[in-house]
Amino acid sequence: DGGITQSPKYLFRKEGQNVTLSCEQNLNHDAMYWYRQDPGQGLRLIYYSQIVNDFQKGDIAEGYSVSREKKESFPLTVTSAQKNPTAFYLCASSILSGGNQPQHFGDGTRLSIL
Amino acid sequence: AQSVTQPDIHITVSEGASLELRCNYSYGATPYLFWYVQSPGQGLQLLLKYFSGDTLVQGIKGFEAEFKRSQSSFNLRKPSVHWSDAAEYFCAVGAQTSYDKVIFGPGTSLSVIP
Repeated sequence: DGGITQSPKYLFRKEGQNVTLSCEQNLNHDAMYWYRQDPGQGLRLIYYSQIVNDFQKGDIAEGYSVSREKKESFPLTVTSAQKNPTAFYLCASSILSGGNQPQHFGDGTRLSIL
Repeated sequence: AQSVTQPDIHITVSEGASLELRCNYSYGATPYLFWYVQSPGQGLQLLLKYFSGDTLVQGIKGFEAEFKRSQSSFNLRKPSVHWSDAAEYFCAVGAQTSYDKVIFGPGTSLSVIP
């Protein structure tokens, strides 16, 4: 079955440490997205990528970085510059980019600080 | 830019009762509207979408939503709620171009009483 796989499901970060969240899709979708979810705040866009080797900052990109070297992969690195990283992170994809595209979501990674 | 609000943070209904979740949007042109559902610890699943045409749209799991342009609303309904419908529900609004993002509402948490 096609879908989006996020790993790990749970991740713990120490102070000053960078951590990378994995997102892989086998839907052959061009566009991919990273969202951060905090209680009561809905989803906030961190980064998105319309095509391979291209990505743009979302609304809360500070302290995060991404790469899109392969169509199926869009890893997110939470750097030590992100002072409040504890959240639920969701990766999504859509056939094409844009506000008219329904998105498919992975099951998320929950990141906590040790 | 578009925006979306969900006036109800939390709703509790009895199993078998009808359900209506409210969603209001702000956008200057005809919006693209979505409803997603999120079970605890999981990603979001698309319930239904409205792009154009018939203002009453049918989705999965027995849900429907009605687009009312005059009220800038896209409320989600279900005639008879099942215990398995307990989840978080997100309304989202998008725009027509490939450069626009989908904006998610803050979500409504639904509890179902047996």
